[in-house]
Amino acid sequence: DIVMTQSPDSLAVSLGERATINCKSSQSVLHSSSNKNYLAWYQQKPGQPPKLLIYWASTRESGVPDRFSGSGSGTDFTLTISSLQAEDVAFYYCQQYYVSPFYTFGQGTKLEIK
Amino acid sequence: QVQLVESGGGVVPPGGSLRLSCVASGFNVETYDIHWVRQAPGKGLEWVSAIWYDGRNVFYANSVKGRFTISRDNSKNTVYVQMNSLRVEDTALYFCVRADTNLAPFHYWGQGTLVTVSS
Repeated sequence: DIVMTQSPDSLAVSLGERATINCKSSQSVLHSSSNKNYLAWYQQKPGQPPKLLIYWASTRESGVPDRFSGSGSGTDFTLTISSLQAEDVAFYYCQQYYVSPFYTFGQGTKLEIK
Repeated sequence: QVQLVESGGGVVPPGGSLRLSCVASGFNVETYDIHWVRQAPGKGLEWVSAIWYDGRNVFYANSVKGRFTISRDNSKNTVYVQMNSLRVEDTALYFCVRADTNLAPFHYWGQGTLVTVSS
C-alpha cells in the first residue's frame, strides 16, 4: 500500500495569513502515461463528510474558492490557503488514487485560528 | 442529483455482525464503482472496501479481509457490506462514497452510519 504522511498534524494560523499543509507519498503517484499526479485534497468540518477540494494535485473542484491551491509532483505535495478565513477551520486530508481501488489517505491535519 | 444514503449502523458486541446499506439515487450503481470508507472516533479516514461497476470485482482492506463482504442489489440500486466477527477497532462512522470513474477522487460522500462495537 502507498503510505501518505501529512505534516504538520495541527496548524494554527491568523486570519488573513497563509496556511500550508504538506503531504508525502511513499511512492510516486505521477502516472507517466497521463503525466498526472493522482493526488486529492479533502476538507472535513465537524459532523460533516469530507468534501473534495483539489484533484490531480492542483485542479480545484467546482465551487472551491480560489484561495485554495494545490501544488507538487511525484511524492511531495502542498495544499495552500492563501488568506485564511474563519470558515476554513477544519481537518484536511490528502489521498492518493494511483493504485485502484486501494486509495489511501494521510492521517489528517487540523487547521485552527491563531 | 447524486445521493448516497447509508443505514444499518448500531451497537453490537465484539464477535457480532451487522449489515450496512447504501442506497444510491441520481445514478445507477451498475455504472459506477462504490467504495466504503470509515472514520474511527476522532481519527482519520480509512478505505475499507469497493465493488466495481461490473459487480464481480470486489476488494477489501487487509484489516477487514475475511470478515467483511461487499455486495450489490441492482434492483434496489443499493450496495451492502456484511460485517462479521466485529472487533472493538471496527468502531467507526462508515461512509459510502463514489468517484466519477476508476482512478479518480471521491466526489460524492454519504453522511455516514455509525457502528459501535462494545460489550
